[in-house]
Amino acid sequence: GAVVSQHPSWVICKSGTSVKIECRSLDFQATTMFWYRQFPKQSLMLMATSNEGSKATYEQGVEKDKFLINHASLTLSTLTVTSAHPEDSSFYICSARDSRTSGAPWETQYFGPGTRLLVL
Amino acid sequence: ILNVEQSPQSLHVQEGDSTNFTCSFPSSNFYALHWYRWETAKSPEALFVMTLNGDEKKKGRISATLNTKEGYSYLYIKGSQPEDSATYLCAPSSNSNSGYALNFGKGTSLLVTP
Repeated sequence: GAVVSQHPSWVICKSGTSVKIECRSLDFQATTMFWYRQFPKQSLMLMATSNEGSKATYEQGVEKDKFLINHASLTLSTLTVTSAHPEDSSFYICSARDSRTSGAPWETQYFGPGTRLLVL
Repeated sequence: ILNVEQSPQSLHVQEGDSTNFTCSFPSSNFYALHWYRWETAKSPEALFVMTLNGDEKKKGRISATLNTKEGYSYLYIKGSQPEDSATYLCAPSSNSNSGYALNFGKGTSLLVTP
């Protein structure tokens, strides 16, 4: 149980285009999903927290107009990288927390397999 | 954002060897510590969640300990097998604008060769 899928697994695009990444919880409902980014040889860094039916909360230094997050259902959150540039090339990975949990710090986040984005 | 250090950065052992690695984190305002195992091209898999000082958790040949007063956790693998090859991530929780967030270290990459 607790499977999270992500699509696409990799994408190459031209500079200036927008790219949408989907994160789905397959066998549970997720009121809250998280989006992380990992640059080479760096740690996973939280970009934003996505809450179903409300606006996402972005971490400091993450441009909300650049990284649009939509969490329209209890099983789907999308991250759109708008007008992507080469510096946006990175590994993007999402996680989800089961809606039945309380959001306590010991609750497990279930991760997708990630999306590698290359902007030319 | 918490400063989380993991060491060593990478490790290469022979099948059957036992190994351990370290996760260091700020000891103040501790909430919980998560360990994940991440194989290439797969999703990170939750191993343990630890909350209490002195906690020890075990899952098969893998175990972990926690010292919240000095801010470290050890992960042990007994009798390593090639299928243990993965990156092991630790992530203490912290309070953020959006609730409790995970703060990841860079991970320890383990390679076990037959």
